[in-house]
Amino acid sequence: AQSVTQPDIHITVSEGASLELRCNYSYGATPYLFWYVQSPGQGLQLLLKYFSGDTLVQGIKGFEAEFKRSQSSFNLRKPSVHWSDAAEYFCAFSSASKIIFGSGTRLSIRP
Amino acid sequence: DSGVTQTPKHLITATGQRVTLRCSPRSGDLSVYWYQQSLDQGLQFLIQYYNGEERAKGNILERFSAQQFPDLHSELNLSSLELGDSALYFCASSPQTGGAYEQYFGPGTRLTVT
Repeated sequence: AQSVTQPDIHITVSEGASLELRCNYSYGATPYLFWYVQSPGQGLQLLLKYFSGDTLVQGIKGFEAEFKRSQSSFNLRKPSVHWSDAAEYFCAFSSASKIIFGSGTRLSIRP
Repeated sequence: DSGVTQTPKHLITATGQRVTLRCSPRSGDLSVYWYQQSLDQGLQFLIQYYNGEERAKGNILERFSAQQFPDLHSELNLSSLELGDSALYFCASSPQTGGAYEQYFGPGTRLTVT
């Protein structure tokens, strides 16, 4: 079955610390992969996407993600988080016209 | 601002009632998607329209229906509302259909059923 797993429901990191949010997918081929961010009371905003080519993709707001086919993973990273990064982060994959979202990881920032 | 607009922003109604949520996609986008976000179910894909025609269906209840009009705006109709329908409803749009296109999300409509 096609699925996206974000194993961490809630993560708290200190401001200035590095961040890695995990995402694993289950799909028979290489899917299109996305990371979205949702700030409180807002809609989802695309951070970055992976379709093919270089497995390390750069996004907005200083985020990057690495596609690892062998691990079926697409983890999101940021070298130094800012208080404004506190939000909910969703990993998603799409195939044809269907998109499946993970359950999300809520990121809190410790001052 | 994604360019996707949704109205109303908030809606409070009673069980058994019917409501209509409206979405205007980004200029030029042909695909519209509807999602429901609740605390217990997370973000669930409901339905997609492409250039006026239904393209894909997700976890949409039979009490819910949608359509996309010639000017490409879309409406989501929710009827015989139950308490469990209380959620955030998002609309998203993309230029075409197909997995390669990222979706641009509207700010959502918060529905409260009392």
